[in-house]
Amino acid sequence: GNSVTQMEGPVTLSEEAFLTINCTYTATGYPSLFWYVQYPGEGLQLLLKATKADDKGSNKGFEATYRKETTSFHLEKGSVQVSDSAVYFCALSSSNFGNEKLTFGTGTRLTIIP
Amino acid sequence: EAGVTQFPSHSVIEKGQTVTLRCDPISGHDNLYWYRRVMGKEIKFLLHFVKESKQDESGMPNNRFLAERTGGTYSTLKVQPAELEDSGVYFCASSHHYEQYFGPGTRLTVT
Repeated sequence: GNSVTQMEGPVTLSEEAFLTINCTYTATGYPSLFWYVQYPGEGLQLLLKATKADDKGSNKGFEATYRKETTSFHLEKGSVQVSDSAVYFCALSSSNFGNEKLTFGTGTRLTIIP
Repeated sequence: EAGVTQFPSHSVIEKGQTVTLRCDPISGHDNLYWYRRVMGKEIKFLLHFVKESKQDESGMPNNRFLAERTGGTYSTLKVQPAELEDSGVYFCASSHHYEQYFGPGTRLTVT
């Protein structure tokens, strides 16, 4: 079945540091890949997505590239801010057309200190 | 436009009691999903409604869990009787075509 393995946290960085959160997956076929973020007291929000190999998703300074050869979708940001403190979830869906269940990783709690 | 709402935000019950969680999806979204995150682990899929029909309930842990979606609008998830291992955060999500929009979750604590 499908599975997502995500870098364990918590991760603590200083403001303006470079961020990488690793994510690898196991899936049949050609899944769609996602990063969701949960800010304190809020629900999960879609941060970015990629639907096919070599696609790069980007949003709010975050990027992730769909690497089929390494089955990875690592999240990166060049310079983090205190407001980026949140829990980040890597996820996949078997369908490129939506309306399919998501398989999530365990989540990585990120704390940025000023 | 209102987002996905869930009620209650937090529920504390004793083992053996019954709890009902409610989810109101975004208006017009035919797809409604329930997920659960237990003890800081991964978020796991429970089931998927399309309108009022259960499309996929492969993630429901056992027959103590009952989900309904009245008239294809709001959904309820009942746990009866609750066990300690049911504690966790229950998320609801809805979608129209592709992106799933999540609610803030209900934190269930079974003591």
